[in-house]
Order: sequence, then C-alpha cells, then structure tokens
Amino acid sequence: GAVVSQHPSWVICKSGTSVKIECRSLDFQATTMFWYRQFPKQSLMLMATSNEGSKATYEQGVEKDKFLINHASLTLSTLTVTSAHPEDSSFYICSASPGGGWNTEAFFGQGTRLTVV
Amino acid sequence: ELKVEQNPLFLSMQEGKNYTIYCNYSTTSDRLYWYRQDPGKSLESLFVLLSNGAVKQEGRLMASLDTKARLSTLHITAAVHDLSATYFCAVEPGTASKLTFGTGTRLQVTL
Repeated sequence: GAVVSQHPSWVICKSGTSVKIECRSLDFQATTMFWYRQFPKQSLMLMATSNEGSKATYEQGVEKDKFLINHASLTLSTLTVTSAHPEDSSFYICSASPGGGWNTEAFFGQGTRLTVV
Repeated sequence: ELKVEQNPLFLSMQEGKNYTIYCNYSTTSDRLYWYRQDPGKSLESLFVLLSNGAVKQEGRLMASLDTKARLSTLHITAAVHDLSATYFCAVEPGTASKLTFGTGTRLQVTL
C-alpha cells in the first residue's frame, strides 16, 4: 500500500511553546489529508481536513487558531499546535489517500505522541 | 451527525475461542473499514468493505458488511494471544477518505 510518514514520532514541549508535526505522502500525491487526535483509551476524532493550496476545514469544536494547518504541496501537510498546554497532550495521526477519489483507501501515518509539560 | 458504535468495548477471551465484534452506524454508507491498533502505535488496515454483503477473511479474522442493517461484524476464530489489540471500525459517510471511527473494542486474549 501507499506510505504516509509522520515526523516526529514523539515530542515533549513546554507549556506555551509551539510544536510542528509533519505528514508526508511518500509515493503518491494527496490533494487532501486528514488530521486526527486520539486521547488515551479513546477513539480517533477527526480534527480537520487539510486541502492543498487552500484553507483547512476544521471540525466543530476544534480551534483553528490553535491548530494551524498548512498544506503547501501535494505531498506535505503540517499541523502546528500553538501555545501548547498539557490538555493538548495526545496522539496525533494523519491520513492521506492517493487521488482522494471514491475508490481510494486512506493510509495512516505512524502517529505523533505529543506531551506538553 | 454520524455515530458509529462498537460492542463490546472490552473483550477478554481465552485462546481457541470464537467471538464477534459488532459495529453499528447511524447513516447510510457503503464503505466500512476495520483497523487494528497496538498500544502506542498507529492504525493497521485489516479490511475494506465496499458493498452490501461484502465478506472478507484474513487468517483468523473475518469481516462482513450489511448496509441495510447498518451493521458490520468482525469475527474472530480460534483466538490466539497475538490478536490482543484494540480494533476499530470506521465509516466513510460520503467524503472520500474522511472517516468516522467507532468507539473501539479492546481485545485481550488470555492463555
């Protein structure tokens, strides 16, 4: 299957600082990528849809000024958690699919464990 | 709002036993996915079910989809310890690749 790579795999940051997470599609182009968040022992919740060349679409309840998404190329989307607080500590996972059409499966990155201290 | 529910939420079973995990969803969808997640890891794709009546099998796992009942099942046959993990179903309601996940079922297979 197609490969989606996230970086870093884990990060620890101080309260009040910003952290950037990268999501790359390694062997295909993706006009759309998705960012999910998973708290311990919970399911994945969609945060936002990242659209290449345009603004991201955020799900209800997700602060767009806090979670900045940039999708500057067809193979890279970044999620920046600004002014991070301990409650932002979570597992962040991105996904992308080749072509973004009806018959294409989404592939997931390996996830990024964020710990805010 | 699309809701996806799984049951049970937690399942402890002995090796060699059979069991079924259920995934119910609230709105029409013809595409359903099953994933496995090990602790601290991302998702591993197990099955993609694309139409009513679809059935797929891989090893000791078999998944089926009934779109009329809005129900998918993941059947485990003769469980082994290596199957211990959390299993998620996910529904694609219409927008390509935008998934709504079920609540998850944590499976523990004991010796």
